[in-house]
Amino acid sequence: RKEVEQDPGPFNVPEGATVAFNCTYSNSASQSFFWYRQDCRKEPKLLMSVYSSGNEDGRFTAQLNRASQYISLLIRDSKLSDSATYLCVVNLNFNKFYFGSGTKLNVKP
Amino acid sequence: EAQVTQNPRYLITVTGKKLTVTCSQNMNHEYMSWYRQDPGLGLRQIYYSMNVEVTDKGDVPEGYKVSRKEKRNFPLILESPSPNQTSLYFCASRPRLAGGPYNEQFFGPGTRLTVL
Repeated sequence: RKEVEQDPGPFNVPEGATVAFNCTYSNSASQSFFWYRQDCRKEPKLLMSVYSSGNEDGRFTAQLNRASQYISLLIRDSKLSDSATYLCVVNLNFNKFYFGSGTKLNVKP
Repeated sequence: EAQVTQNPRYLITVTGKKLTVTCSQNMNHEYMSWYRQDPGLGLRQIYYSMNVEVTDKGDVPEGYKVSRKEKRNFPLILESPSPNQTSLYFCASRPRLAGGPYNEQFFGPGTRLTVL
């Protein structure tokens, strides 16, 4: 069983739409959580950390549900530039990181 | 400019020919890590290092070696590459946990390795 599972998509949405991704993780001892963005064949870049109380950064909102072991990312008012693959990342023991295989988002005009 | 650099960016080699992929960061980060990315599998951690001379295995260490003799450098060594090591490799670094466990990892641009 994979440590982190994500729906690979693709999610095809029009500009201005709201889209949500979920991610589940298997190890209840996981300590910190992140969403990274990866453009085609490029390096991943941090989109946002995910805090227990949930957090928002502009059009992006992340939520963590420790009881159900899932993480979500909500993107409001999608832009063409949001088209990318979104990686869910879970940190265990501060040094080990587990990545989901990514969810691909296509925002269309 | 704060960055993580990797060399080479692209490499085609043959089975059994030893190679080294270099990784260097200029941010004075203690923690460095190597990942490989394969379609459908996401990034998987190969090795990580918490500081100079301190390294440990990630999830897929077989066939790889690392060393951390200097803080800024963390080379990945393939002593006898095989075709199943054909992959996209990323090096990453982050500072110590002074800010808690949410410190961002900074990734290098990637090295695309093909082993024939």
